[in-house]
Amino acid sequence: QVQLQESGPGLVKPSETLSLTCAVSGYSISSGYYWGWIRQPPGKGLEWIGSIYHSGSTYYNPSLKSRVTISVDTSKNQFSLKLSSVTAADTAVYYCARQDYYGSGSSIWGQGTMVTVSS
Amino acid sequence: QSALTQPRSVSGSPGQSVTISCTGTSSDVGGYNYVSWYQQHPGKAPKLMIYDVSKRPSGVPDRFSGSKSGNTASLTISGLQAEDEADYYCCSYAGSYTLNYVFGTGTKVTVL
Repeated sequence: QVQLQESGPGLVKPSETLSLTCAVSGYSISSGYYWGWIRQPPGKGLEWIGSIYHSGSTYYNPSLKSRVTISVDTSKNQFSLKLSSVTAADTAVYYCARQDYYGSGSSIWGQGTMVTVSS
Repeated sequence: QSALTQPRSVSGSPGQSVTISCTGTSSDVGGYNYVSWYQQHPGKAPKLMIYDVSKRPSGVPDRFSGSKSGNTASLTISGLQAEDEADYYCCSYAGSYTLNYVFGTGTKVTVL
């Protein structure tokens, strides 16, 4: 059974970089699929942040592209999100998820981790 | 890119059917058969209910069905049950030349 688990600081200061990791169990990332990040501000809707293919190709939401970096570490079977120059507007629950093929929906999700941007 | 438009809320009695619309443009919903629907209960992660417009993942009841006409996709829940009360989000591929997704604004389904 494939499982995803997000981890990282729950509090980040404004202007700093938010860093999260998604550990994958039950499947080897290097074998395939797209792996993505999606966020949800408190009381609001979902927003796709970006995805990475198992080979390392990355795809980002155009509205966040200048601040986002997604990378994969196959040796640790995990992938990561970095979001720079954060503001209060980046406060959200961050989910990692798996997309089975290009353009497909996200079939498996992590439980999510809340990140608050505040000084 | 703008969020796809969904009604803020829909409601129905147990056993009834409800339909949630998801309106986009020819650059997203209307342009590709990559529309997915998610169910989210309070405090929980979203769950994939429909993918590729009308396909159901294993384990999702056949009470849930999806369709698309032009720039509008729809999710229908037949035989509404208490556990169907949740938020529902549509999502569409919006890439053209690169991978890109846009989500809907979300709909609260209330079982009366």
